[in-house]
Amino acid sequence: EAQVTQNPRYLITVTGKKLTVTCSQNMNHEYMSWYRQDPGLGLRQIYYSMNVEVTDKGDVPEGYKVSRKEKRNFPLILESPSPNQTSLYFCASSQDRGRGTEETQYFGPGTRLLVL
Amino acid sequence: AQTVTQSQPEMSVQEAETVTLSCTYDTSESDYYLFWYKQPPSRQMILVIRQEAYKQQNATENRFSVNFQKAAKSFSLKISDSQLGDAAMYFCASDGSGNTGKLIFGQGTTLQVKP
Repeated sequence: EAQVTQNPRYLITVTGKKLTVTCSQNMNHEYMSWYRQDPGLGLRQIYYSMNVEVTDKGDVPEGYKVSRKEKRNFPLILESPSPNQTSLYFCASSQDRGRGTEETQYFGPGTRLLVL
Repeated sequence: AQTVTQSQPEMSVQEAETVTLSCTYDTSESDYYLFWYKQPPSRQMILVIRQEAYKQQNATENRFSVNFQKAAKSFSLKISDSQLGDAAMYFCASDGSGNTGKLIFGQGTTLQVKP
């Protein structure tokens, strides 16, 4: 089954304690992205990756890091989380830019993060 | 910058009736796609329907259809014969420029379906 998995699904942490949210896809997709969802703002792209070792900033990259050492994995790292990073996070993947009929963007189930 | 705007934070519809969710967008791209995603209480993002800007014919998927007005940069979603399972948050999105794989989302519209 084609899917994007994220772990953990729920996380409560404290300010400054480093954390990693993992993302993995089993579709051999080239493109992967991280989004955060906040009330009234929709989803906003944090970082994206076009292939292994190729990553770049999205619209709201401050406070986040990513890596793409393997094609299937795209972890999101918060080295010093702050309360304003409390949000719902989604990982997504697609073979290309996610435009055509065969290039749907697949979303993970989401990770709800609370930073105290 | 590309933007997507959903001006209706909440909508409600009676079961079996029809409802239309509004979306406007702004882009300088000539080739682009527009999407509607459904997010039920499980928070899963589910693609409902997609429209390519070059296609004049409005996309349809069973009870879901769009009214795409390219000149007005409007992309509304019509849900016919509404069902209780349609209750969710709906997001309008467009694909961004460049090779970022980015989707630009609207603020979302919460749809309530009344039995």
